[in-house]
Amino acid sequence: SYELTQPPSVSVSPGQTARITCSGDALAKQYTSWFQQKPDQAPVLVIYKDTERPSGIPERFSGSSSGTTVTLTISGVQAEDEADYYCQSSDSNKNSLYVFGTGTKVTVL
Amino acid sequence: QVQVVQSGAEVRKPGASVKVSCKVSGYTLTELSIHWVRQVPGKGLEWMGGFDPEDGETIYAQKFQGRVTMTEDTSTDTAYMELSSLRFEDTAVFYCVTVGPPYGGNLGFWGQGSLVTVSS
Repeated sequence: SYELTQPPSVSVSPGQTARITCSGDALAKQYTSWFQQKPDQAPVLVIYKDTERPSGIPERFSGSSSGTTVTLTISGVQAEDEADYYCQSSDSNKNSLYVFGTGTKVTVL
Repeated sequence: QVQVVQSGAEVRKPGASVKVSCKVSGYTLTELSIHWVRQVPGKGLEWMGGFDPEDGETIYAQKFQGRVTMTEDTSTDTAYMELSSLRFEDTAVFYCVTVGPPYGGNLGFWGQGSLVTVSS
């Protein structure tokens, strides 16, 4: 089955830049979304179509793509950005239409 | 703005079934598709299935085929997910998620989640 690989954890000091990668063979051909999930809350969409930011999401969140790796960048990290982050993409096999990454815990030191 | 509200927590015994509801507002179910995602406590997100408007049918992840049924009532803009033959390892939070405006074919707005506990 199709897999998306993320680092388990990323630590960053307030005001610094956090970069979270997501790797998968099909990422070169499919768009990727990113979701933020805080403890005991539902996920929230922060990036879609690789680089698009939904209304209400701070400008410090940005996405980029290069080949089979996509990256979520959080510039000027704030304490409130501490959360789990999941990438998500699609597979050509309709029985795995939406595939999630393994998740990355972002810790703000 | 889309709002998504799910039904409350449920407790079931092994072998039983559970049906979770998901009501949308702001858009109708003729404009949106609903997909379902499972999250076992302390684990990641897992897509279960949802309605594919391109084919006009509901598609299920292979892992859940045969045990899950997803339906929609467009008269009340409410979607349902029924999972049968419950096992202890089905204890999880189940989320419904919209696909459609304003994010096109991407997962967009999430319900608050419905905790299903399987316990004897």
